[in-house]
Amino acid sequence: AQRVTQPEKLLSVFKGAPVELKCNYSYSGSPELFWYVQYSRQRLQLLLRHISRESIKGFTADLNKGETSFHLKKPFAQEEDSAMYYCALPFDSINQFYFGTGTSLTVIP
Amino acid sequence: DGGITQSPKYLFRKEGQNVTLSCEQNLNHDAMYWYRQDPGQGLRLIYYSQIVNDFQKGDIAEGYSVSREKKESFPLTVTSAQKNPTAFYLCASSMGWGPYEQYFGPGTRLTVT
Repeated sequence: AQRVTQPEKLLSVFKGAPVELKCNYSYSGSPELFWYVQYSRQRLQLLLRHISRESIKGFTADLNKGETSFHLKKPFAQEEDSAMYYCALPFDSINQFYFGTGTSLTVIP
Repeated sequence: DGGITQSPKYLFRKEGQNVTLSCEQNLNHDAMYWYRQDPGQGLRLIYYSQIVNDFQKGDIAEGYSVSREKKESFPLTVTSAQKNPTAFYLCASSMGWGPYEQYFGPGTRLTVT
């Protein structure tokens, strides 16, 4: 069963425009969700996690249990935000992560 | 850029040959993981290890084997039984067993012809 869904494979926005990368999950408990990012020629790295409630590089993500979503948002996209973004869900009590299929974001100058 | 390293960056093998991918970490992390990354499929877990001398199968373990004889090392062997071995392989580690951040290596691109 698909536990994490990222419906958009590709997303393009203009610089300065708002951006939202969608992530939906299926999980019965209280999930701990993560967003990872992979910039060109760099390794995959953590962008933010639900529990910390931090804003990293202007990105935020709110857990919506009613809609089972954890969408990543930024009010004003920058060119350096162009990257591959993955939503991830740790599975139950074991640290087996389920990653979404990823969304490739391109910010157009 | 230390922390977790993978070697080599690119690997080419003939069909029918086993090949071992290296993964080393100096973060003193207990848990380590191997993922396979294919276009349009995200990351899929191959094997994981919570602690030295212990490892478990992930979702796509068939055709792969691992060992965890040292805390800092978690090599992955792609055997000839793996039907579609050509892929990008990522190794990761985390502090412990739980929803901890995973730190990723730079990856190894394996091409089997």
